Amino acid sequence: RKEVEQDPGPFNVPEGATVAFNCTYSNSASQSFFWYRQDCRKEPKLLMSVYSSGNEDGRFTAQLNRASQYISLLIRDSKLSDSATYLCVVSDNNDMRFGAGTRLTVKP
Amino acid sequence: EAQVTQNPRYLITVTGKKLTVTCSQNMNHEYMSWYRQDPGLGLRQIYYSMNVEVTDKGDVPEGYKVSRKEKRNFPLILESPSPNQTSLYFCASSYGGDREKLFFGSGTQLSVL
Repeated sequence: RKEVEQDPGPFNVPEGATVAFNCTYSNSASQSFFWYRQDCRKEPKLLMSVYSSGNEDGRFTAQLNRASQYISLLIRDSKLSDSATYLCVVSDNNDMRFGAGTRLTVKP
Repeated sequence: EAQVTQNPRYLITVTGKKLTVTCSQNMNHEYMSWYRQDPGLGLRQIYYSMNVEVTDKGDVPEGYKVSRKEKRNFPLILESPSPNQTSLYFCASSYGGDREKLFFGSGTQLSVL
C-alpha cells in the first residue's frame, strides 16, 4: 500500500464548477500536511498548508481528517488556469511523502 | 529574485558516462534536497542536506552522490548512469525550521540510453 494515495484522475470539469480531491495517508504519526500544484512537466509549487481546523485561501479550501487519515482540497468556481496536477504532501517532521498527484483539467 | 537554479534542463547521455546536475539557491536556505519523479509515482527523495557538509540518504540513493561544500550549491552526481535512472529530477530548498515549504528548481529531464 502506498504511503500517500491520491486518485490520479483526470478530473475534467467545466469552468465555474466545484471540484474536490482527497488524499489518504498511512502514517498515523504524520503532523504536517500540504497541497502543492504542478503544471505539466514543471516544478511543484506550494499551494497551501492544511491545518487541523481546516483553512481557506480564496477559492481553495483544505481540510484534514485525522481520524480517517485523509486530507482534501476543494476548488470553487474553477478557472481554466486551475488546470494542473495537485500533489498531496504528508510529513511526520522527519519524513516528507508525496502523493503521485491528481490531474485536473478545467474546460471552457 | 529568489530562486532555485537547476541545470541542465534536458540531458541525454549514455550508460556509464558520469554526469553532474547542478543546483544553486540564493535564499540562504539551510535545507536542500534532490527528488526524482516517475510516472504514477510520487516524488521520491534521493538525498538531502540539512546544512553545509551534512548530507543524508533519502529513499532512493543508490547510484547517486551529492556534496554540500557551500550553502548555496547542492550538485547531484551520477557516477555511472544506467537506463533506470531516466527520470525527471528536481532540486529543492527550504528554511531549516520550515522544511516542508519547499522551493523547487525547474527540473532536469534525464534520459540514459
